[in-house]
Amino acid sequence: NAGVTQTPKFQVLKTGQSMTLQCAQDMNHEYMSWYRQDPGMGLRLIHYSVGAGITDQGEVPNGYNVSRSTTEDFPLRLLSAAPSQTSVYFCASSYSAGRVEKLFFGSGTQLSVL
Amino acid sequence: GENVEQHPSTLSVQEGDSAVIKCTYSDSASNYFPWYKQELGKRPQLIIDIRSNVGEKKDQRIAVTLNKTAKHFSLHITETQPEDSAVYFCAAFNNAGNMLTFGGGTRLMVKP
Repeated sequence: NAGVTQTPKFQVLKTGQSMTLQCAQDMNHEYMSWYRQDPGMGLRLIHYSVGAGITDQGEVPNGYNVSRSTTEDFPLRLLSAAPSQTSVYFCASSYSAGRVEKLFFGSGTQLSVL
Repeated sequence: GENVEQHPSTLSVQEGDSAVIKCTYSDSASNYFPWYKQELGKRPQLIIDIRSNVGEKKDQRIAVTLNKTAKHFSLHITETQPEDSAVYFCAAFNNAGNMLTFGGGTRLMVKP
């Protein structure tokens, strides 16, 4: 049982480049989410999904897109990378959407935008 | 939206002492309050949580208290050990919005 798998673990981009961070879970969880973690600012929600075909914005959605075509996958797309998007990104999932309980986090992606 | 504030941002204690971390939240509709521990370079992991219909919950050396009227909740760690050193995050969940909002984190250092 792999849990929540994120790829890549590290990525360096140039300003203006686009890329997709991958997230997959094998626990049949309804709820999936993306957070970014910046020093001293905790974890801030970017986007979340309560099921396949349903996504919504979190606290800091600008510059990011998501889709949820299957229950298992929830990719995060950076449209045109900016230095302000340098951060550690975590994908997290939970069993039930209407009653989010324990969040299972992926191992994170360290992204640097030069 | 929900706003969660966490204090202190850093906390240094001697091994064996107690540590207390406090959080306040803004949305009275929030009904679930978890605490996560993140060791250096690792992913956050749930250590304890409390729902709005409960005032206190304990699990061995850790406990969480909730005051709904004042909209604050606290994490208490007793008999601290060096392996308790980590960053701790509180969070608040509002099921109407389906969003879990985190506090800014507390770096706890336990000195042997």
